[in-house]
Amino acid sequence: DAKTTQPTSMDCAEGRAANLPCNHSTISGNEYVYWYRQIHSQGPQYIIHGLKNNETNEMASLIITEDRKSSTLILPHATLRDTAVYYCIVRGLYNFNKFYFGSGTKLNVKP
Amino acid sequence: IAGITQAPTSQILAAGRRMTLRCTQDMRHNAMYWYRQDLGLGLRLIHYSNTAGTTGKGEVPDGYSVSRANTDDFPLTLASAVPSQTSVYFCASSDRPTSGIEQFFGPGTRLTVL
Repeated sequence: DAKTTQPTSMDCAEGRAANLPCNHSTISGNEYVYWYRQIHSQGPQYIIHGLKNNETNEMASLIITEDRKSSTLILPHATLRDTAVYYCIVRGLYNFNKFYFGSGTKLNVKP
Repeated sequence: IAGITQAPTSQILAAGRRMTLRCTQDMRHNAMYWYRQDLGLGLRLIHYSNTAGTTGKGEVPDGYSVSRANTDDFPLTLASAVPSQTSVYFCASSDRPTSGIEQFFGPGTRLTVL
């Protein structure tokens, strides 16, 4: 599975969009990009995933570049409750035993 | 709907003791997973089970064993605990073990081995 690179931390003002980048330059054609987040002391929470096309759900949008080597998670209107560690994960189609979370990005949403 | 429950919430354990962490899901998911989370290392997969009756090794399986006697339960056993197994343990499940599927996580068990 491709490994991912994310900034260690980011700040965002409350009410503004939070854009979290992820680099996955070694991604292969059948690997999905997932985003999870973990609020302090809780279990990870699924946010969104995609393969090639941009995706949007009630929580966020996922923008994947055309070459699929990087992606951006967008929280359109960040709130204080969005403060968490955000994990970008790349996972192969049948690699069920390989789901590397890495260290993630600590997003600090400030008033 | 409870989702995934884990027990105990936290535990302090003497080295050398045997310990079983419990995990139960009520979503009838086929696949279940055990992760440990350590500071600076993210989550690492210990063991997984694609369906009842089958298990497999993840990234860090040594010192741990699992069983999957039925769909709902996936206990993790430390046969003889060591201090390096001090960690937060998360159980997760998914409808299928393949990609494109969301994993649901439990609230975690904080284990301290002295």
